Amino acid sequence: GENVEQHPSTLSVQEGDSAVIKCTYSDSASNYFPWYKQELGKRPQLIIDIRSNVGEKKDQRIAVTLNKTAKHFSLHITETQPEDSAVYFCAASIGNQFYFGTGTSLTVIP
Amino acid sequence: ETGVTQTPRHLVMGMTNKKSLKCEQHLGHNAMYWYKQSAKKPLELMFVYNFKEQTENNSVPSRFSPECPNSSHLFLHLHTLQPEDSALYLCASSQGAGTGWSGYTFGSGTRLTVV
Repeated sequence: GENVEQHPSTLSVQEGDSAVIKCTYSDSASNYFPWYKQELGKRPQLIIDIRSNVGEKKDQRIAVTLNKTAKHFSLHITETQPEDSAVYFCAASIGNQFYFGTGTSLTVIP
Repeated sequence: ETGVTQTPRHLVMGMTNKKSLKCEQHLGHNAMYWYKQSAKKPLELMFVYNFKEQTENNSVPSRFSPECPNSSHLFLHLHTLQPEDSALYLCASSQGAGTGWSGYTFGSGTRLTVV
């Protein structure tokens, strides 16, 4: 089955700096890669996603890149703000079955 | 509210108890899921229901028993649990698959503590 690895597990950045979280996957059949943000005590929420026919997608301060050959995808957050502090999960999907990474706890220091 | 409601939000149960978790979605989605979220582990898929038919049982112990009476409701019946079953149990729903996939909508979860 699919195996998704996510790094780093914790990340601290100064407010205004950029944050990058990386994920790798093993199954080349995976074709959809969402990122979820989970604030403390709240449900995971989809923040951005990318399909396998696209290499990059951007939504304001958030961007995701996908390298199908290398089987890795990354989340980029620019101009970080304290409210970006949360746990971020990547996932790779085949059909409607998702495989999640272990999560990255991001702390943005004011 | 995202349209996926889970109850209860918190549950403490003894190892000999029987309890049930409930999930309800008002989004018209055709698939529902149970996930287990433990500390420092990936989200673990437990069960998948498509059009109220179970299509995935990810090697879950029999002390967890799902029920999906219709496409809007999903239950997780619990009995004789172990302390290591303590976790956040998340329900999710979705519509479509493949290129029609629109992602999961998660519920708020049930924080389960087994004592």
